[in-house]
Amino acid sequence: DVKVTQSSRYLVKRTGEKVFLECVQDMDHENMFWYRQDPGLGLRLIYFSYDVKMKEKGDIPEGYSVSREKKERFSLILESASTNQTSMYLCASGFYYGYTFGSGTRLTVV
Amino acid sequence: QKEVEQNSGPLSVPEGAIASLNCTYSDRGSQSFFWYRQYSGKSPELIMSIYSNGDKEDGRFTAQLNKASQYVSLLIRDSQPSDSATYLCAVTGSQGNLIFGKGTKLSVKP
Repeated sequence: DVKVTQSSRYLVKRTGEKVFLECVQDMDHENMFWYRQDPGLGLRLIYFSYDVKMKEKGDIPEGYSVSREKKERFSLILESASTNQTSMYLCASGFYYGYTFGSGTRLTVV
Repeated sequence: QKEVEQNSGPLSVPEGAIASLNCTYSDRGSQSFFWYRQYSGKSPELIMSIYSNGDKEDGRFTAQLNKASQYVSLLIRDSQPSDSATYLCAVTGSQGNLIFGKGTKLSVKP
């Protein structure tokens, strides 16, 4: 089975901090995605990547950036955390036959 | 903006009944269609994928696709209390990313 691992399950950060969320997959997938999930708003795509060094903006990229230096690792960066970025962050990996999600990081910005 | 629409529910069915979950999508170019199950506090888990018109069965689950009507459905036969979860419909967007509906909450009453 594909395994997608997110480094932290829960995270509490202060406003203005730079935050790194890490995601690693073990199936050599080229496609990786970052979503955030909020009650009533569903899953929204932040950024995605189809290859090393490549990145594409999703629907809500403002306030975020990403890094993909190696195929298996896709990092989401909050440049200056704000309270409206408190959310569940979900990383996914896969191809046209389906995507596997990591267990998620619940980030609280105080 | 490409959209995926689902009734938010909650949909309540008695144990042993058939649960029927529906989804419509706006992008006629979508090629792949998925159903995810998400338990409270957990990440989405892929349960069904379907790529061509018709029915696809897997155990108690049947996915149905009608591309002409832009409609996808999921039937759960012999519903169990353990099926109580939020079910997310997802379709591929033009860039290969997944576009999610906001989910239908299913409650199976013993």
